[in-house]
Amino acid sequence: EAGVTQSPTHLIKTRGQQATLRCSPISGHTSVYWYQQALGLGLQFLLWYDEGEERNRGNFPPRFSGRQFPNYSSELNVNALELEDSALYLCASSLGQGAKNIQYFGAGTRLSVL
Amino acid sequence: GENVEQHPSTLSVQEGDSAVIKCTYSDSASNYFPWYKQELGKRPQLIIDIRSNVGEKKDQRIAVTLNKTAKHFSLHITETQPEDSAVYFCAATGANSKLTFGKGITLSVRP
Repeated sequence: EAGVTQSPTHLIKTRGQQATLRCSPISGHTSVYWYQQALGLGLQFLLWYDEGEERNRGNFPPRFSGRQFPNYSSELNVNALELEDSALYLCASSLGQGAKNIQYFGAGTRLSVL
Repeated sequence: GENVEQHPSTLSVQEGDSAVIKCTYSDSASNYFPWYKQELGKRPQLIIDIRSNVGEKKDQRIAVTLNKTAKHFSLHITETQPEDSAVYFCAATGANSKLTFGKGITLSVRP
C-alpha cells in the first residue's frame, strides 16, 4: 500500500511569487492535514481538510490556503511568498475526522524562498 | 487553544541507558496523545500513542505514561540504541480535535 505522497520534493521560489504544493493521501483516508516545519519551531499546524471541506485552520495568514479534491488529494497554496516561508511542508492523512485517527506523514516538500 | 510543551529540548544518553522525555499540555479536554519520531531527513513516524482512559502503554522498549490530573505525559525508552537518535515530538488533541505538537526534543544516544 502506498503511503502519503507529496510533490514536488523541493521547490525554489523568489519573494512575492506563489507556490503550490500537492499531497496524495493513503488510499481510503479522507482527512488531510498540512504542517509547516521551520527550523527549531517543531510542527506548526496549517490546515485540515476532510471530505472536501476545510475543518480547521492554524494561526497563519490568509495567503496560506488550500483545497481538497473529490479524490481526497489536496493542494496547499502560498501566495505572496516571504523569506520566512522557507520551511519543510508536511502533509499527513488519516482515516477520518479528528486527531483521534492516526496521522501518517508524507516526506514533505522543501520550500526555499530566495 | 491547546499548548504543548516538551522538556528538555535536547537529551544525550549513553547507549544502554534509559531516556525519559516529558510533555505538558494545557487543555484538560485533551484525550489523545501520540508520540512521533523523526530521523534526520525523514518523515515523522508514529511510535506509540495513548488515550485518556489509559494511564500507561508499553510496546517493547518504549512506554508512555499519562497523568491527567497533572496534565503531563512522558515517553520512556529503555536500553537505548544508536538508532534511537532522532527528534521526538509529543502531541495532544484539544477540544477542537486539532492535533497540537510540541517543539520536539533531539535525543542523542552515545555509543
